[in-house]
Amino acid sequence: LAKTTQPISMDSYEGQEVNITCSHNNIATNDYITWYQQFPSQGPRFIIQGYKTKVTNEVASLFIPADRKSSTLSLPRVSLSDTAVYYCLVGPRDSSYKLIFGSGTRLLVRP
Amino acid sequence: GAGVSQSPSNKVTEKGKDVELRCDPISGHTALYWYRQSLGQGLEFLIYFQGNSAPDKSGLPSDRFSAERTGGSVSTLTIQRTQQEDSAVYLCASSLVFGMGETQYFGPGTRLLVL
Repeated sequence: LAKTTQPISMDSYEGQEVNITCSHNNIATNDYITWYQQFPSQGPRFIIQGYKTKVTNEVASLFIPADRKSSTLSLPRVSLSDTAVYYCLVGPRDSSYKLIFGSGTRLLVRP
Repeated sequence: GAGVSQSPSNKVTEKGKDVELRCDPISGHTALYWYRQSLGQGLEFLIYFQGNSAPDKSGLPSDRFSAERTGGSVSTLTIQRTQQEDSAVYLCASSLVFGMGETQYFGPGTRLLVL
């Protein structure tokens, strides 16, 4: 699986847009990019997945440049409840049997 | 059920004892995954099931770890002769079918502490 690199932590304020970038220089042709969110004492929760360009859902947007060596999770107008750890995961869509989550990015949203 | 459930929610055991952790996936989900998360660390994949079979067990940390799934539903993760380094949160997830394209729904986890 492609190794991913994310910032260890980020701080933001309520109402701001937060962008978390993940580097995956060794991404393979058949790899997808998936982001999960984890609150303290809970299991991770799927946020969004994409292959290229831009994907948007009701929670977030995912921007993937043409070379796919990085991706950016964008959270619009964060609130205090968005304080969590965000994981970037890269792997083939149909053979995820060795999923490895890194240490993730700890996002702290302040009032 | 409404979501993935795990039991017990917390387990304290003594070094050398065996423990069993249980996972009840979402009804109808054919794929089931076990992960481990140590304090302040990311998730470490352990094993996955497609139905009752586990095609790849190489994620298990040692031969003290084993897992089974019966009836395509409930799964049990067993740790024999527990060691202090086994202390972690053990998370179970399920998805409708197997594959990274499928959203995995996680349970609340079992917090294991080995004294």
